[in-house]
Amino acid sequence: DVKVTQSSRYLVKRTGEKVFLECVQDMDHENMFWYRQDPGLGLRLIYFSYDVKMKEKGDIPEGYSVSREKKERFSLILESASTNQTSMYLCASSPPGGRYNEQFFGPGTRLTVL
Amino acid sequence: GESVGLHLPTLSVQEGDNSIINCAYSNSASDYFIWYKQESGKGPQFIIDIRSNMDKRQGQRVTVLLNKTVKHLSLQIAATQPGDSAVYFCAENRSGGSNYKLTFGKGTLLTVNP
Repeated sequence: DVKVTQSSRYLVKRTGEKVFLECVQDMDHENMFWYRQDPGLGLRLIYFSYDVKMKEKGDIPEGYSVSREKKERFSLILESASTNQTSMYLCASSPPGGRYNEQFFGPGTRLTVL
Repeated sequence: GESVGLHLPTLSVQEGDNSIINCAYSNSASDYFIWYKQESGKGPQFIIDIRSNMDKRQGQRVTVLLNKTVKHLSLQIAATQPGDSAVYFCAENRSGGSNYKLTFGKGTLLTVNP
């Protein structure tokens, strides 16, 4: 089974802190994604990466950056956390070869910024 | 703007009944439409997808119907079980080069009553 793990289930940070959310997948997937999930808004794509050191902005990249130094690991960085970044953050990966529609999600990190 | 949306935010059914979850879309250029299921405390999980040149696709206890005339997508679950209680998201894979990028709707909460 594909496994996508996220470093924390719950995280509480203060405004202005630098926050790192880590995601690791164990199936050698090329594509990795970061979403945020908010009530009534569904899942919104922040950033994605289709290869090591490659990244592309999603629909809501403002206030976030990402890092992909190794194929299995994709990090989301909040340079200076703000209260409007309180949300559930979901990481996902997808295999190559045309199976673009099937993304495998981690359990999520619920981030609270005080 | 273009979006994937849901007709109903909540749906309650009796165990054993069939469930129908609806979704409207506005982008006629989408290549695929996809359904995901998210159980409480977990990340979304892929259920089934349908290519835009198809009208119907069946899986295990699920059927997806696509009506391109009215830009409507539905997920039918046969003999709904308590384990089907979850939030269901429709998503679309839009054409234009980024085949691995999905756009998700806001979700429908399905509750199955015993």
